[in-house]
Amino acid sequence: DAKTTQPPSMDCAEGRAANLPCNHSTISGNEYVYWYRQIHSQGPQYIIHGLKNNETNEMASLIITEDRKSSTLILPHATLRDTAVYYCIVGSGNQFYFGTGTSLTVIP
Amino acid sequence: GAVVSQHPSWVICKSGTSVKIECRSLDFQATTMFWYRQFPKQSLMLMATSNEGSKATYEQGVEKDKFLINHASLTLSTLTVTSAHPEDSSFYICSALGDRGNYEQYFGPGTRLTVT
Repeated sequence: DAKTTQPPSMDCAEGRAANLPCNHSTISGNEYVYWYRQIHSQGPQYIIHGLKNNETNEMASLIITEDRKSSTLILPHATLRDTAVYYCIVGSGNQFYFGTGTSLTVIP
Repeated sequence: GAVVSQHPSWVICKSGTSVKIECRSLDFQATTMFWYRQFPKQSLMLMATSNEGSKATYEQGVEKDKFLINHASLTLSTLTVTSAHPEDSSFYICSALGDRGNYEQYFGPGTRLTVT
């Protein structure tokens, strides 16, 4: 499975949009991009996933570049409860290999 | 929908004993489940892939005789840590592959194991 690179940490002001980048330059054609987040001492929570097209759901938007080598997760109006570690994973329906993720801190 | 539970949520055991952790998919059938381990301030590490009715596939470096996995039904996988030692203390998390064909994994809440 392709590896991902994310910044180790980010801050975001409450109410503002949080944009979390992810590089996955070795992604292959049948691999999806998944985003999960983990709040301390809990299991990861699914956020969104996509293959080629941009996706939006009630939690977030996922923007995938045309060459699929990078993506951005957008939390449109960050709240304090969005403080968590966010993982970008690429895979094709089998094992997930987690990277180190981005620790997002939403600041009041 | 797509809820995965784990039991127990936390357990303390003595060194040398064995501990069994259950992972259940509550409202869907999961032919494939995964087991992860997470040490403090680290990311999740995949330990093994569990397929219903067949032997689990272990990741490199994971001792199959120490971490016994059984996936006897479409809704239950178990991880048994045998002859536990303090270095096995960790957060164990399972996930189940969804049955909607979108390759989504649903994670359990995790089990905190402390070996004294």
